[in-house]
Amino acid sequence: GAVVSQHPSRVICKSGTSVKIECRSLDFQATTMFWYRQFPKQSLMLMATSNEGSKATYEQGVEKDKFLINHASLTLSTLTVTSAHPEDSSFYICSAANTGVPAWLGYTFGSGTRLTVV
Amino acid sequence: GQQLNQSPQSMFIQEGEDVSMNCTSSSIFNTWLWYKQDPGEGPVLLIALYKAGELTSNGRLTAQFGITRKDSFLNISASIPSDVGIYFCAGLSGNQFYFGTGTSLTVIP
Repeated sequence: GAVVSQHPSRVICKSGTSVKIECRSLDFQATTMFWYRQFPKQSLMLMATSNEGSKATYEQGVEKDKFLINHASLTLSTLTVTSAHPEDSSFYICSAANTGVPAWLGYTFGSGTRLTVV
Repeated sequence: GQQLNQSPQSMFIQEGEDVSMNCTSSSIFNTWLWYKQDPGEGPVLLIALYKAGELTSNGRLTAQFGITRKDSFLNISASIPSDVGIYFCAGLSGNQFYFGTGTSLTVIP
């Protein structure tokens, strides 16, 4: 089945530094990937839609200069949290759309990245 | 954005009991999905529904797509300890998911 690998699974960084999170589709090509943020005991909130070869589409209220998204290939999207602050600490999850299958089956989620900013 | 409300928010049940949770939306969706999320992991798809009124089963799981296309329910029969987790409904509109608020399930052995 379709596998999405997200790396790292956990990261601790100092306030003011930047952190890059990778999302890879291992056995399929994904023209579209999605980045979500999840706070403890809450639902997944869509941050942005990442499109291969073009600029990402950000949801309202998400700072695009803070959360940089790059989707340079059909199997890799990256989310960079720039100048991280403690309030950026959260669980970040990506999902990738497998364009080779119907929409309702074609979204696979990564295992998430726990970001802690100290 | 579109809001999907799940109830109950949390459940504590004895092993072997049946579980029922539901999801309602203010908007119509053409596809409903149910996911389970284990702690520290991403969501895993359990059941997909794409026809109003459809009733679909996956092992001990049964889900239905409401006739109005604004709601769905998920039943789990004969719960076991590994059913513990957070269950999310999701509505698909175009290529975008809208997730429900989640139902946390605890199964007491």
